[in-house]
Amino acid sequence: DTAVSQTPKYLVTQMGNDKSIKCEQNLGHDTMYWYKQDSKKFLKIMFSYNNKELIINETVPNRFSPKSPDKAHLNLHINSLELGDSAVYFCASSQDYRGRRAFFGQGTRLTVV
Amino acid sequence: EDKVVQSPLSLVVHEGDTVTLNCSYEVTNFRSLLWYKQEKKAPTFLFMLTSSGIEKKSGRLSSILDKKELFSILNITATQTGDSAIYLCAVEEGGNNRKLIWGLGTSLAVNP
Repeated sequence: DTAVSQTPKYLVTQMGNDKSIKCEQNLGHDTMYWYKQDSKKFLKIMFSYNNKELIINETVPNRFSPKSPDKAHLNLHINSLELGDSAVYFCASSQDYRGRRAFFGQGTRLTVV
Repeated sequence: EDKVVQSPLSLVVHEGDTVTLNCSYEVTNFRSLLWYKQEKKAPTFLFMLTSSGIEKKSGRLSSILDKKELFSILNITATQTGDSAIYLCAVEEGGNNRKLIWGLGTSLAVNP
């Protein structure tokens, strides 16, 4: 069973569209994260939720909005997609927000054309 | 099923020791292997390896890939307390989505 699963795994969309990426974890963890990986493989944290509450909100455009319906899910909604949003997005979860051992999803490759 | 296995799961050493962390993988359509250091908000990128036998080096850290035996090692010499972290290995698949298969990490604790 996949511990942290993201859908879709691959997304191609046009500029200006709105899209969502879903993430689910079945580990019973309290904290979930969204990361953006750049072309140099660097990972930058975007958001973190602990028990459905936002605890980290890095400087990202407000076109990006996380939504956590319950602690097992953290979805990422992106409005008015731009070319620069093209990247791989990773979801992760950890037991708590100090979360050194995080479990990662396999990533969603977003391509904006 | 694709998988990445790291060993050991955790390790405690004294400052000055040298450590070797292992990452083995079974992944179809291998593209690259990545090492990250996870300690705070986001894992810090260390190395990307694509070719066998070519050592990547950064200060006291070095890594090498063996694509025949399907593993990589990460060496840290003269460890310091600041090296304490979880070291993650991930294998990038080729193909359209280039997904990453993540290992569970090795938790390294360096004691003074």
